Amino acid sequence: AQSVSQHNHHVILSEAASLELGCNYSYGGTVNLFWYVQYPGQHLQLLLKYFSGDPLVKGIKGFEAEFIKSKFSFNLRKPSVQWSDTAEYFCAVMEEYKLIFGTGTRLQVFP
Amino acid sequence: SAVISQKPSRDICQRGTSLTIQCQVDSQVTMMFWYRQQPGQSLTLIATANQGSEATYESGFVIDKFPISRPNLTFSTLTVSNMSPEDSSIYLCSFGTTRDTQYFGPGTRLTVL
Repeated sequence: AQSVSQHNHHVILSEAASLELGCNYSYGGTVNLFWYVQYPGQHLQLLLKYFSGDPLVKGIKGFEAEFIKSKFSFNLRKPSVQWSDTAEYFCAVMEEYKLIFGTGTRLQVFP
Repeated sequence: SAVISQKPSRDICQRGTSLTIQCQVDSQVTMMFWYRQQPGQSLTLIATANQGSEATYESGFVIDKFPISRPNLTFSTLTVSNMSPEDSSIYLCSFGTTRDTQYFGPGTRLTVL
């Protein structure tokens, strides 16, 4: 079965800093990959997803992620974070329509 | 897009009791799922709620502990039975309109004393 690793458990940044959150999945083949975000007190929301095609995927709120098949990675990036990006970020892979989540990365952005 | 709601949003329960969580989607959806998010941990799939048939449970989860109903294409319930403090978690339902993407409800925060 697939597994997902998010190596950054807690990231602290100042506003305007660049962000990259790591995500690796365990084995290849055709994969559907997702990033979800959970803002404080809010429910889980889809940030972006990759199914096929252009490996650079753009999502909401200026986020993007790059699928690198050779590295089994799907890292999330944002060139300039804002205080409102403070949230928990989850990477997930779909296996037989089931979502398998990583452990999440807590991002804190300070003004 | 479809809207998904859960009731209750939170509850505090006594050990040994049971709680039923309701999940309602405002349009018909094919697939509904139940997840658990334990404190400080990620989401783990409990089961897939199948309309008109028994739920499909993941390894480590059993029907006696987490009975699920799915009477129609817009509604599902999850019961947490004979609760213990270890069941304190956020329980989330989600739905998929296709095999590819899932959307999540707001969650039910359960505390068991």
